[in-house]
Amino acid sequence: GENVEQHPSTLSVQEGDSAVIKCTYSDSASNYFPWYKQELGKRPQLIIDIRSNVGEKKDQRIAVTLNKTAKHFSLHITETQPEDSAVYFCAASRYSGGSNYKLTFGKGTLLTVNP
Amino acid sequence: DSGVTQTPKHLITATGQRVTLRCSPRSGDLSVYWYQQSLDQGLQFLIQYYNGEERAKGNILERFSAQQFPDLHSELNLSSLELGDSALYFCASNPGTGPYEQYFGPGTRLTVT
Repeated sequence: GENVEQHPSTLSVQEGDSAVIKCTYSDSASNYFPWYKQELGKRPQLIIDIRSNVGEKKDQRIAVTLNKTAKHFSLHITETQPEDSAVYFCAASRYSGGSNYKLTFGKGTLLTVNP
Repeated sequence: DSGVTQTPKHLITATGQRVTLRCSPRSGDLSVYWYQQSLDQGLQFLIQYYNGEERAKGNILERFSAQQFPDLHSELNLSSLELGDSALYFCASNPGTGPYEQYFGPGTRLTVT
C-alpha cells in the first residue's frame, strides 16, 4: 500500500520567515495530495491540495509543489505568523473513479512560529 | 464548525470492554471516513462508507467494525479493548464522489484503563 514520509517532524521559525515541509510517497499511481492543518485540540482542516496534473498551486501565503518523477511534494508557507503554529499533515491518495477513496497521511510536522 | 458531529466527546473504559462511537456527517454528504489518531502513529485511516456500503479499508483491526445507517450516520464499534486502543477517533465526511476535502468532526477521545 501507499507509504507517506514527512519531514521534519518539528520546525521552529521566526515570525516573518518562510517554512517548508516535505513529503515523499511510494505509490507512483497516487494522484491527489492534500495538506491538513491541525491546531492544538482541534480537528484537522484542509488548507490546500494539488492534483497530479499540475506542478504547483498557490493560495495567498501558502503554496504546494509536486514532483511526480521524484515522488515528492512540499508545502511552503511565506511570511509566517504566530497563528500558523499548528501540526501540518500531508497526505496522498490514488483516486481512480467511483466512490472508494482513502487518504494515507504523513506523521505530521509541528510548526512553531516565534513572535 | 465543520457540520460533522461526533459523540461522545470523551470516553473512559476498561480493558476488555466494548464501546460505540457515533458520527453524523454534514448534510448531503454520502461518505463517512473513520480515522484513529495517536501520538506515535499520526492519523491512520480505518474505513470508509459510502451511502451505506463499505468502500475502502485501511489498517482496521478485526476487533473493530463500523457501519453506516440509512440516515447516513455511522458508528464505529471497538471491542475487546486494549490499552493501546487509547486514541483520538475522528470521523470525516464529504460527498464521496471524488478526492475532495474531507470535513472532520471534533473527535472522540477514548481512554482505556
